[in-house]
Amino acid sequence: EDQVTQSPEALRLQEGESSSLNCSYTVSGLRGLFWYRQDPGKGPEFLFTLYSAGEEKEKERLKATLTKKESFLHITAPKPEDSATYLCAVQAVGGGSQGNLIFGKGTKLSVKP
Amino acid sequence: DTGVSQDPRHKITKRGQNVTFRCDPISEHNRLYWYRQTLGQGPEFLTYFQNEAQLEKSRLLSDRFSAERPKGSFSTLEIQRTEQGDSAMYLCASSSGQGRPNQPQHFGDGTRLSIL
Repeated sequence: EDQVTQSPEALRLQEGESSSLNCSYTVSGLRGLFWYRQDPGKGPEFLFTLYSAGEEKEKERLKATLTKKESFLHITAPKPEDSATYLCAVQAVGGGSQGNLIFGKGTKLSVKP
Repeated sequence: DTGVSQDPRHKITKRGQNVTFRCDPISEHNRLYWYRQTLGQGPEFLTYFQNEAQLEKSRLLSDRFSAERPKGSFSTLEIQRTEQGDSAMYLCASSSGQGRPNQPQHFGDGTRLSIL
């Protein structure tokens, strides 16, 4: 069964304290891995797509990397406005899938000034 | 920049009533998805449209749920005879069908359903 596991469930950082979020996945075949940010009461906001192992994407203080079994979201020198829940999702090949995303439960990040 | 729009944002109803939600996707997107999200969980897939055709339904979508996308534009999700367990955030997403099938999905801000 296709599955996504994110860790930790919650992460508290001081402003400027860099860290990484983990997303482990089990799929029959990977079409793509997606990272989203979700603020309370809002829908997920797209951040990155990664398609193959070794790929990296960057945006401001965020950098996403991908291996054959997991992805990391590195946050460099975070600011309070980076506080949110970060969701990882995979799109699997086969099984009649038309592109629906399989999400993890997310990591809730709090950045204190 | 018009993103995915969902209406209403909040819906409170009594158990047993029917409810209908609307989703307006990004105008050039031909793929439309519905997801359900409960507190502390990631979104779970419900159903998928390519243009007006409903191509996939999750086993989560019981026979009380029905979705339509007439003319391949906006979509509606109806829940009949609502139950307590239907309380959740219902999210709509759309993506472009051009190029690779794994184009990113862009989400609306959802409709939060509360069953009394």
